[in-house]
Amino acid sequence: AQTVTQSQPEMSVQEAETVTLSCTYDTSENNYYLFWYKQPPSRQMILVIRQEAYKQQNATENRFSVNFQKAAKSFSLKISDSQLGDTAMYFCAFMNRSGSARQLTFGSGTQLTVLP
Amino acid sequence: DAGVTQSPTHLIKTRGQQVTLRCSPKSGHDTVSWYQQALGQGPQFIFQYYEEEERQRGNFPDRFSGHQYPNYSSELNVNALLLGDSALYLCASSLAGQPQHFGDGTRLSIL
Repeated sequence: AQTVTQSQPEMSVQEAETVTLSCTYDTSENNYYLFWYKQPPSRQMILVIRQEAYKQQNATENRFSVNFQKAAKSFSLKISDSQLGDTAMYFCAFMNRSGSARQLTFGSGTQLTVLP
Repeated sequence: DAGVTQSPTHLIKTRGQQVTLRCSPKSGHDTVSWYQQALGQGPQFIFQYYEEEERQRGNFPDRFSGHQYPNYSSELNVNALLLGDSALYLCASSLAGQPQHFGDGTRLSIL
């Protein structure tokens, strides 16, 4: 079974600054995906960024980038030039690529507040 | 192109009742997963449907059941509702191992 741990329940950052959210995971699998999802008060879970475990290069999507350390089982999210619209709950999630099912295992989330 | 749609948005039930939640997947998606998200927590996997069959199940009792129709839409049924079933229920759809797309969820309150 996989576990995902987010040790920062709440974080805040000033607008235009950079913030890093932490995530660690535990698995015996070697082929998997890692994700960061964003959930604003509107409730919809929005995919922010995805990392494939076999790729050494860290994924980037505009202002969002990850630091993937496979040996350490660490997967942090860096948000650059923070905007007020980035205020949301952020969830780290794991998905095994082997086998037929593709369930997501989520962490407990980090509430990020961007301050004006 | 419509995304994942869930109905109803909100629902209030009493203990012991039964409830059915509905989900229409994103166009082109064939797999539907259901998650339960208690207040302040991350979503927990309930089960996943593919080709009208339950493919995998999380750690939820048999009171939770589901169905997938030939058009890939899905239902989540919960019997004998308990106060602890109060949560946001999220539906997600996907295709062939691609990232899951989520709906806005159904907020279920048990009185």
